[in-house]
Amino acid sequence: EVQLVESGGGLVQPGGSLRLSCAASGFTYDIYWMTWVRQAPGKGLEWVANINPDGSEKYYVDSVKGRFTISRDNAKNSLYLQMDSLRAEDTAVYYCARGTVAGYWGQGTLVTVSS
Amino acid sequence: DIQLTQSPSFLSASVGDRVTITCRASQGISSYLAWLQQKPGKAPKLLIYGASTLHSGVPSRFSGSGSGTEFTLTISSLQPEDFATYYCQQLNSYPQTFGQGTKVEIK
Repeated sequence: EVQLVESGGGLVQPGGSLRLSCAASGFTYDIYWMTWVRQAPGKGLEWVANINPDGSEKYYVDSVKGRFTISRDNAKNSLYLQMDSLRAEDTAVYYCARGTVAGYWGQGTLVTVSS
Repeated sequence: DIQLTQSPSFLSASVGDRVTITCRASQGISSYLAWLQQKPGKAPKLLIYGASTLHSGVPSRFSGSGSGTEFTLTISSLQPEDFATYYCQQLNSYPQTFGQGTKVEIK
C-alpha cells in the first residue's frame, strides 16, 4: 500500500525557517517524481515544487523561488522541503504527493507563520 | 503562467443527477489535465489524468473529456459520497496550476 507521511509542520515566526519531511513507503520510491502542494486555510490548492527521481531537476512556483528548496534522499525514501524566509502568506497545509500527476497524497502537515 | 477557470464555482445538485464541471485554460495544454476531488479536512484524490483516463479505483460514473483549452468532468449519476470540491490541474508547463475549485453540494 502506498503511504506518504508528512512531518515537520508547526508555528514559526515571519522570517523563520522550517524543514518539512515526507516519508514514503509501499512503492519503489526512486523511480518517481515527487511533488509538494499547499493549501492556505479555506483556499484552493497551489502547486509548490517538484523533483525528478534522481534529484537533478527541480521546479518551483515563482512565489517560493529562492526561499524554498525541494530535495530527496532515495536511500531513506524521503522527500524534503526546506522553507526559509517564511512569510504569513506561506501559512498552509503542505501535502507531498507521488508523481507529477499526483496519484497518491499524504495527509498534510500544517505550517503557520505568525508572530 | 497558465490560468485555469472552472465553472461553475458552486453547484447544488441531487443524488442521481448528472453533473458537468468545465475547466478552461488560458492557452492550449493538449491533454495535460487532471481532475481531483477533495472532501473537507482530507487530502485531495486523483480522479482523472490525461484529460480522460480514469485513475485506478475511481468509479466509472466519473468521466473526463476535452483537449486544448476546454475540458469537462462529468459525474453520470451523483452519489452521496460525491459531494465534495473538485479541482482541475494543468501539467503542460511549469508552474503547474490548479483551477479555483467547484464545490458540489446537496440540493
